Parts: sequence; C-alpha cells; structure tokens
Amino acid sequence: EAQVTQNPRYLITVTGKKLTVTCSQNMNHEYMSWYRQDPGLGLRQIYYSMNVEVTDKGDVPEGYKVSRKEKRNFPLILESPSPNQTSLYFCASSEGLAGAYEQYFGPGTRLTVT
Amino acid sequence: RKEVEQDPGPFNVPEGATVAFNCTYSNSASQSFFWYRQDCRKEPKLLMSVYSSGNEDGRFTAQLNRASQYISLLIRDSKLSDSATYLCVVNLATDKLIFGTGTRLQVFP
Repeated sequence: EAQVTQNPRYLITVTGKKLTVTCSQNMNHEYMSWYRQDPGLGLRQIYYSMNVEVTDKGDVPEGYKVSRKEKRNFPLILESPSPNQTSLYFCASSEGLAGAYEQYFGPGTRLTVT
Repeated sequence: RKEVEQDPGPFNVPEGATVAFNCTYSNSASQSFFWYRQDCRKEPKLLMSVYSSGNEDGRFTAQLNRASQYISLLIRDSKLSDSATYLCVVNLATDKLIFGTGTRLQVFP
C-alpha cells in the first residue's frame, strides 16, 4: 500500500530534550516536506527537500533541522524543543514539484512540549 | 491581508443540500489551485485540482475566477460523509503551496 508513515504519532516531552520525528514514504517520491498545523494559522511549511541531499527552508524553519540521506526518509529534528513548538506536524511527499503533483500526507504527529 | 482566506464556518447543512465555499487569494501570480479535504485530526487529502475552465467530479464542482482572484467549491446532494474541513490551497510561482485555514462543513440528517 502506497503510504507516508510518521513516528511517533503522539509525543509529550519537556523543554530542551532533543527529539526526532521520522517520516518515510514508499512511493519513490522525489519531493518531501514538513508542515506544522496550528489553530487559525493553517498548514505552514517548515522544510522541504527536492531530492536526496537537497533540502531548503520553508516559512517557519527556526528551531528545526532536517536531513535527506535516503530518498524514502525525511526526519524532522528538534534540537532543543520549546513550548511554542507544540503543534500537529505532517510530513508530505509528492512525485515532483509541489504545485504540479498531489501531496500525500502522513497521519500526523501531535507534539506537546511542556 | 492573508495570502489565502476562507470563511471558517461551520456551515451546517441538511443531507441533500447544495453548499458552496469560496476562497480568495492575494497573489495574482498564483499558478495552480487545489481543494484538500481534512477530517477531524486526520491528514489532508486531495479532493480536486481547480482548472481555469472549471472542473467537475461527481457531486463536486470547482471553479476559478482569476479576475476576482477566488476559487469556489460546490457540493451537491450533500452526504453525512461530506462532513469535514475543506482546505483551499494556492501554488505561487515559486512552487510554494499556501494553505488556507479551512472551511468546516457539518452535514446533519
């Protein structure tokens, strides 16, 4: 089954404790991205990757890191989480450029930072 | 002004009703347009792309008005299963997707 998976689905952590949210897709997609969704703000892009070893900042990259060492994986790293990073996070992938292809989203990771 | 604006709703309609949502965008250079559907606490899923000539998929019709910079979604013969949040998505010339905050639809029996 074609899908995007994320782990963990739910995470409660404390300020400053490094964490990684994994994202994996099995569709051989070139393009992957991370979004956060907050009430009243819609989805906002954090980082995106056009291909292996190619990543770039989205609209809200501060406090986040990503890597794309393999085509299928695109982990999101929070080196020192803060309460303002409490949010619902979605990973997405597509065959190519975001504007031309359907975005396939993972099931979401609900993160709470206390 | 927000780049993409939607009425948050909720739109409460009975089964069988016709309901329409509009979405306005501010960047006249926007190149492509989409409607995504998001069920409560779930991931967004593509409902349909919006073409310049308009397009229809079963009970759903999407239209684009470039002159007035808005797109619309019409749902005919609403079903209970149509209850969801509908996200308007606009692609800028830089290949950046801008998501609206969504319009919530609740269909009641």
